[in-house]
Amino acid sequence: DIVMTQSPTSMSISVGDRVTMNCKASQNVGSNVDWYQQKTGQSPKLLIYKASNRYTGVPDRFTGSGSGTDFTFTISNMQAEDLAVYYCMQSNSYPNTFGAGTKLELK
Amino acid sequence: EVQLVESGGGLVQPGASLKLSCVASGFTFSDYWMSWVRQTPGKTMEWIGDIKYDGSYTNYAPSLKNRFTISRDNAKSTLYLQMSNVRSEDTATYYCTRVAGASAYWGQGTLVTVSS
Repeated sequence: DIVMTQSPTSMSISVGDRVTMNCKASQNVGSNVDWYQQKTGQSPKLLIYKASNRYTGVPDRFTGSGSGTDFTFTISNMQAEDLAVYYCMQSNSYPNTFGAGTKLELK
Repeated sequence: EVQLVESGGGLVQPGASLKLSCVASGFTFSDYWMSWVRQTPGKTMEWIGDIKYDGSYTNYAPSLKNRFTISRDNAKSTLYLQMSNVRSEDTATYYCTRVAGASAYWGQGTLVTVSS
């Protein structure tokens, strides 16, 4: 199985901060990485697909980049409503696998 | 509006079997691959498997393949997950998702607790 190593595990942030998190794949996954946001008590929500494509209706402060084994997810201007856990997932080869998540908390 | 509604979860004893359902609405169910994903109480996400739009092909996480079976009834717009010989480590919230490149739609999840 492809291992998705997500970092950091958690971040203490302030509203207005630029937030960056990473996912490293144990082997080449091309651009087949998606990013999901999960708020407390809710189902995951797709934000970015195929590494860098913003899903319909997702604010442009959310961006994704990368290919191969290294991927980055950025929130350019953190808002209070962005407090959540963010997961990466690779779908390049079965079984699809998730990162462990990055939890954003208020400083 | 796309809706996915899971059901069938609950408290189940180790070694038992359980069948989860996911009723879809708001889209043509038979046009889409569907998948099951679970999330443990510790928030670890695990992809279980997926099924082709016509039910002719399935993929599974190797660690679950021998105990879990995904099926669908397109006439009923319903996705199923048959779980057998459940273990304590199967305790999780189970989500169905609609797959179209990525899982843009998720149900609200159904909680399965395996305990004696």
